[in-house]
Amino acid sequence: EIVLTQSPATLSLSPGERATLSCRASQSISFYLAWYQQKPGRAPRLLIYDAVNRATGIPARFSASGSGTDFTLTISSLEPEDFATYYCQQRFNWLTFGGGTRVEIK
Amino acid sequence: QVHLQESGPGLVTPSQTLSLTCTVSGDSTKNGDFYWGWVRQPPGKGLEWIGYIYYTGSDYYNPSLRRRVSLLVDTTKNQVSLRLGSVTAADTAVYYCVRVLSDAFDVWGQGTMVTVSS
Repeated sequence: EIVLTQSPATLSLSPGERATLSCRASQSISFYLAWYQQKPGRAPRLLIYDAVNRATGIPARFSASGSGTDFTLTISSLEPEDFATYYCQQRFNWLTFGGGTRVEIK
Repeated sequence: QVHLQESGPGLVTPSQTLSLTCTVSGDSTKNGDFYWGWVRQPPGKGLEWIGYIYYTGSDYYNPSLRRRVSLLVDTTKNQVSLRLGSVTAADTAVYYCVRVLSDAFDVWGQGTMVTVSS
């Protein structure tokens, strides 16, 4: 099973700041990585697929990079609605999720 | 706009079978571009993929659940159903119906909470 490790577990930032979230795979997964945003009590929302592609309707302040084992999700300038938990998910070998990074208001 | 609606019992007795249905609107389960599946989330924890199915009946399951889970697609009703047998408290979770595009979950239902308890 491919294990995805997300860091940090919690990120405390202020609106307007830049957020950088990491997802590391236990083995190479090429570019087969997606990112999701989840707010409390809500279903997750697809943000990024295949490592770098924004899903339909996702604002340009969300960007992502990486391949192989190391991936990054960047939010260029945090809006109030961006404070949430973010999950990465691989599709290289079956489908597994990372443990999540919570982005909270500082 | 695509909408997925989960339905089913909110309480299941240990060792019994959990059964949920997802009704799809705004799209067709016969749409060859997508699979249809389920993801769950225990309270306060992360996400776990359960499985997904194509309109032809081809199905794929999380290896950790494969022995207990089955999915069915009913294209006439535009529904996908989940059955999970021999449940324990560890199966208590919010269960989400999902549309699957290239192994990413691009549309989610609102989720339904299922508690396993006697």
